[in-house]
Amino acid sequence: SQTIHQWPATLVQPVGSPLSLECTVEGTSNPNLYWYRQAAGRGLQLLFYSVGIGQISSEVPQNLSASRPQDRQFILSSKKLLLSDSGFYLCAWSVNRGETQYFGPGTRLLVL
Amino acid sequence: DAKTTQPPSMDCAEGRAANLPCNHSTISGNEYVYWYRQIHSQGPQYIIHGLKNNETNEMASLIITEDRKSSTLILPHATLRDTAVYYCIVRVSGTYKYIFGTGTRLKVLA
Repeated sequence: SQTIHQWPATLVQPVGSPLSLECTVEGTSNPNLYWYRQAAGRGLQLLFYSVGIGQISSEVPQNLSASRPQDRQFILSSKKLLLSDSGFYLCAWSVNRGETQYFGPGTRLLVL
Repeated sequence: DAKTTQPPSMDCAEGRAANLPCNHSTISGNEYVYWYRQIHSQGPQYIIHGLKNNETNEMASLIITEDRKSSTLILPHATLRDTAVYYCIVRVSGTYKYIFGTGTRLKVLA
């Protein structure tokens, strides 16, 4: 069966520091991968989407970037964190573009 | 993509059916209705989805009205572990984009 992992589970970072969050999927090949952010008490906002290695689509212009160095690995990065980057970051995968998305456990990021 | 409207909160007694409504009056013919739930501090969990027909799985039933402008998620015998925020989402067939709203916070009471 397929599983999705995210780490770290929680992270506290100072303003201006870099960020790297990792997501990996097991049990499937060539998944579609997604990064979402959820602000406190809000719904989920799609940040990035990837259909394959090196292929990234950005949904919202912002301080963050994404990369997909391997088939089942998706990384969310920032060179300099802002206070507004705080939130709950979720990775998701789907078999194909139009199929059901399955979410990971999330990373809670607090920027101070 | 169609927007969805859900009540912000609901209570349900343990062991009773929980009926969570969703309005999606601007839904198009090729848009699916999806339901997810999110237990505090966890990632959203997929529950069920449908296009036109009612659907049932081991977790829940989805009832879609004939005009497709609204739907109801039914948890037949709610337990305390069903306490969560429930999201109703519509998604265009063949696209990746989900639009999440703020959902319904369901509290199951002992």
